[in-house]
Amino acid sequence: EPEVTQTPSHQVTQMGQEVILRCVPISNHLYFYWYRQILGQKVEFLVSFYNNEISEKSEIFDDQFSVERPDGSNFTLKIRSTKLEDSAMYFCASRNSIGHEKLFFGSGTQLSVL
Amino acid sequence: AQSVTQPDIHITVSEGASLELRCNYSYGATPYLFWYVQSPGQGLQLLLKYFSGDTLVQGIKGFEAEFKRSQSSFNLRKPSVHWSDAAEYFCAVGAEGGSYIPTFGRGTSLIVHP
Repeated sequence: EPEVTQTPSHQVTQMGQEVILRCVPISNHLYFYWYRQILGQKVEFLVSFYNNEISEKSEIFDDQFSVERPDGSNFTLKIRSTKLEDSAMYFCASRNSIGHEKLFFGSGTQLSVL
Repeated sequence: AQSVTQPDIHITVSEGASLELRCNYSYGATPYLFWYVQSPGQGLQLLLKYFSGDTLVQGIKGFEAEFKRSQSSFNLRKPSVHWSDAAEYFCAVGAEGGSYIPTFGRGTSLIVHP
């Protein structure tokens, strides 16, 4: 089965630093998502992306966050100035059509902000 | 707004025993319901989904779930648990139409004793 690939699997950074989390969605997919899960809490929606623009975002996705699809294959999440509370597992997901097709998730990037 | 409650943070069962993981949802219309599993080091994998029709749905790995509208529940069951079923299980509800962004519960961690 095709896979969504996320790198790195673990990222440790200092508070205030910028981080970029990388995702390679499945090649023919058109809709892309970022979710995160703070330890012990729910998996929370951050942002969805389609046709090279954000289609929806949650309250969590403030000005510190941005997403980009720089080269047609990668899908990145940037946090400009990390805070301690950004420590979480970040999941990328993709799918190939609107409707009820299943989301394919990556294995996640565990971000630790010190 | 839709929401999902998974009341059990941890569930411990013996191998071979039956399993039921609880999920309650809140949504104004007919929900689209999902169960995902996350094994250690893996992404979220779809186990099964309910959109309409038969309220008892079968999924992969021998899992099934029953949609009960009167109880706003979508509990996951398996008659005989295997050690390899130890994982984190997430219930999710999707919105009808729109950009289809599933809302997840906090997850239930399944521990299987030999």
